[in-house]
Amino acid sequence: AQSVTQLGSHVSVSEGALVLLRCNYSSSVPPYLFWYVQYPNQGLQLLLKYTTGATLVKGINGFEAEFKKSETSFHLTKPSAHMSDAAEYFCAVIKGGSYIPTFGRGTSLIVHP
Amino acid sequence: NAGVMQNPRHLVRRRGQEARLRCSPMKGHSHVYWYRQLPEEGLKFMVYLQKENIIDESGMPKERFSAEFPKEGPSILRIQQVVRGDSAAYFCASSPGTSGGSTDTQYFGPGTRLTVL
Repeated sequence: AQSVTQLGSHVSVSEGALVLLRCNYSSSVPPYLFWYVQYPNQGLQLLLKYTTGATLVKGINGFEAEFKKSETSFHLTKPSAHMSDAAEYFCAVIKGGSYIPTFGRGTSLIVHP
Repeated sequence: NAGVMQNPRHLVRRRGQEARLRCSPMKGHSHVYWYRQLPEEGLKFMVYLQKENIIDESGMPKERFSAEFPKEGPSILRIQQVVRGDSAAYFCASSPGTSGGSTDTQYFGPGTRLTVL
């Protein structure tokens, strides 16, 4: 069975500071990895995904994530936080050959002026 | 190009009543997925459907829950005899089904927030 751990249910940063949201997974086979963002009272929006190829993946809104197999991690980063980045972020894993994602519990990003 | 539509956005039911949640996939999408989100938790897969077929219902509770995706019209998630523990946000996602399986991007609707009194 696969699982996803997002370290820190809340992350607080100042506007302009680096954003780092952590995601570690366990999977018996190489997985596909996703980050989603959820704004209040809205559905999830795909930020980026890793399937194969380059391990550094660039997504929308200036976010990127790096797949590190040796660390079983897929941390999400953004060099400079904007107030509009305040939202809930979910990491998800799909085992190769499957279509059912396993989601982490989510990390709430708080951006201070 | 409208996104995934869900209605109602908010639904209040008393214990024992039925709840019907609707999902209209994006235009051109033939695959629909339903998820449930409990407070401060991630989404949990419930069921995966294609037109007129249930592909995978491994995440559906064995009783009271059912889903359909008819040839015409929206997908319906039906919860009979609701209990307080059914209170949650229910999200629908759709995909085109062209990439096949794992890498097929799912597009999510805004969700239906069910409250059982």
